[in-house]
Amino acid sequence: DAGITQSPRYKITETGRQVTLMCHQTWSHSYMFWYRQDLGHGLRLIYYSAAADITDKGEVPDGYVVSRSKTENFPLTLESATRSQTSVYFCASSESMTGYQPQHFGDGTRLSIL
Amino acid sequence: AQSVTQLDSHVSVSEGTPVLLRCNYSSSYSPSLFWYVQHPNKGLQLLLKYTSAATLVKGINGFEAEFKKSETSFHLTKPSAHMSDAAEYFCVVSYPNQAGTALIFGKGTTLSVSS
Repeated sequence: DAGITQSPRYKITETGRQVTLMCHQTWSHSYMFWYRQDLGHGLRLIYYSAAADITDKGEVPDGYVVSRSKTENFPLTLESATRSQTSVYFCASSESMTGYQPQHFGDGTRLSIL
Repeated sequence: AQSVTQLDSHVSVSEGTPVLLRCNYSSSYSPSLFWYVQHPNKGLQLLLKYTSAATLVKGINGFEAEFKKSETSFHLTKPSAHMSDAAEYFCVVSYPNQAGTALIFGKGTTLSVSS
């Protein structure tokens, strides 16, 4: 089925560990995005990508690394996890970043850092 | 800075009664506006979008929203609530002329529907 898939759906890890969240989309959308959702903050953009090998920072990029070697995949890595990165992470994709096209979201990864 | 404000963090209605979720945005440019819905443990689903065409926008599941430039508002309405409408709703603004701008999310309104 066409869509956007995030894995894992749930993850528990410890501070200082590296963790990678996966995102895969089947629409061949050029643009992909990572957001975190926290109570009282809504969704905040971490990183986005306009195409393979093109990425840029969003509002809250510190502590995160992204890569995009293939159009359909956009993994997010926490190199040394901290408790403040406990959150729900959403991946999204879009045909464009101009704002005229909506973004399509995955079901999220709930990450807990102990 | 551009921003979007959802005026109610929580709205409670009875099944069969109208729904009104309020959203105001700051505007220096002509925005695109969206409403998304999020059900528990799910991602965000697009309800409707405004991109400078008709000011009254119809979306899925009987929802609609009216763009009022003079009031900088984009309130979401539905004539009759269903139990399945209980969810989190996000008003989202995008400013297409600003390079590097993605979406600006409101903080969300939780809609509760009682029988």
